Amino acid sequence: SQTIHQWPATLVQPVGSPLSLECTVEGTSNPNLYWYRQAAGRGLQLLFYSVGIGQISSEVPQNLSASRPQDRQFILSSKKLLLSDSGFYLCAWRLTGGHTFGSGTRLTVV
Amino acid sequence: RKEVEQDPGPFNVPEGATVAFNCTYSNSASQSFFWYRQDCRKEPKLLMSVYSSGNEDGRFTAQLNRASQYISLLIRDSKLSDSATYLCVVNMEYGNKLVFGAGTILRVKS
Repeated sequence: SQTIHQWPATLVQPVGSPLSLECTVEGTSNPNLYWYRQAAGRGLQLLFYSVGIGQISSEVPQNLSASRPQDRQFILSSKKLLLSDSGFYLCAWRLTGGHTFGSGTRLTVV
Repeated sequence: RKEVEQDPGPFNVPEGATVAFNCTYSNSASQSFFWYRQDCRKEPKLLMSVYSSGNEDGRFTAQLNRASQYISLLIRDSKLSDSATYLCVVNMEYGNKLVFGAGTILRVKS
């Protein structure tokens, strides 16, 4: 079966610290992968998407970056976190039609 | 103007009530449409796709009016377990990217 894994579930990081969130998928090959962020009380914002290894499209300018080192691995990173980076980060992949989301990482930058 | 707009609610309804949510989208070239459900502090999950002819899944009915760029979701015989945030989602023509509305909060009370 097709599954998507995301970790950690929660994370508290100080301002200026680095970030690395990992997402992996199973049961499929060459999926389209996405990173979204949901700020408190707000809608989902698409941050990055990838249609293949090494192919990253950025949707909004920010101090985050994404990488896809392997077909089924998508990583979200930051060299120095800002307070405004706090939010609920969700990895997703595209099946027929809609997206399926991982369980998300709730990041609090303090 | 936001690409996808929804009434944020909250809609407070008694069990057994019928409730309708509306959504409008700005890009007339949008290709596909969905309703997602998001429980508190959880990832969004696909509730149903929305087809031009309208479609029904149990107590849920979705409708699309392309001319008016309007999508609706009707929930009949509301259950306590229907309490959640309902997200209207549009797949834009220019890529495999979904645009999410900010969501409508539903609270079903006994």
